[in-house]
Amino acid sequence: QKEVEQNSGPLSVPEGAIASLNCTYSDRGSQSFFWYRQYSGKSPELIMSIYSNGDKEDGRFTAQLNKASQYVSLLIRDSQPSDSATYLCAVKRTGNQFYFGTGTSLTVIP
Amino acid sequence: SAVISQKPSRDICQRGTSLTIQCQVDSQVTMMFWYRQQPGQSLTLIATANQGSEATYESGFVIDKFPISRPNLTFSTLTVSNMSPEDSSIYLCSVEDGQGGDEQYFGPGTRLTVT
Repeated sequence: QKEVEQNSGPLSVPEGAIASLNCTYSDRGSQSFFWYRQYSGKSPELIMSIYSNGDKEDGRFTAQLNKASQYVSLLIRDSQPSDSATYLCAVKRTGNQFYFGTGTSLTVIP
Repeated sequence: SAVISQKPSRDICQRGTSLTIQCQVDSQVTMMFWYRQQPGQSLTLIATANQGSEATYESGFVIDKFPISRPNLTFSTLTVSNMSPEDSSIYLCSVEDGQGGDEQYFGPGTRLTVT
């Protein structure tokens, strides 16, 4: 079982729609969760961090965490073509080990 | 967040040679990390570099192949030794900086091609 699992996609949504990206993790003791955006040929850019169960909103982005289900998601509202990228879920396990998922490729269609 | 730079941004090297990648941060940080991202894949942690101590390597990575230096709190180097085409990858350094000190921020990366 992988430490962090994501659907590789590709996920396509029309401009203005909500994009929903999902991630599960294996270590129940994990405490810190992150979403990164990576444009082709660029390094990962931190979008959101979340540490507590529930929702955390930042502009058009909402991160959702459910520790009981070991599930974290990212919602992107009013998706724009500039949101087209690969989104990486990352989890910091107990013992400070940091694991990345394989990423979900998102395409926003104008 | 910290501003991170890496040199070189890209290089093409012959097999059997070595390349040293530099990572510079604009503020003092305790922990620096080196990752590899092979084409079409996610990030794999190579090692954690703390100032004043030996780097801690992840399973599958050894010091002889990837020696790391961390001479101060703003700088680190990663050397890829005795390169083979399988070492062709993007190498990224990152630092922990943020709320609770555990958000990681990445440098722009070094794209290495080994021929």
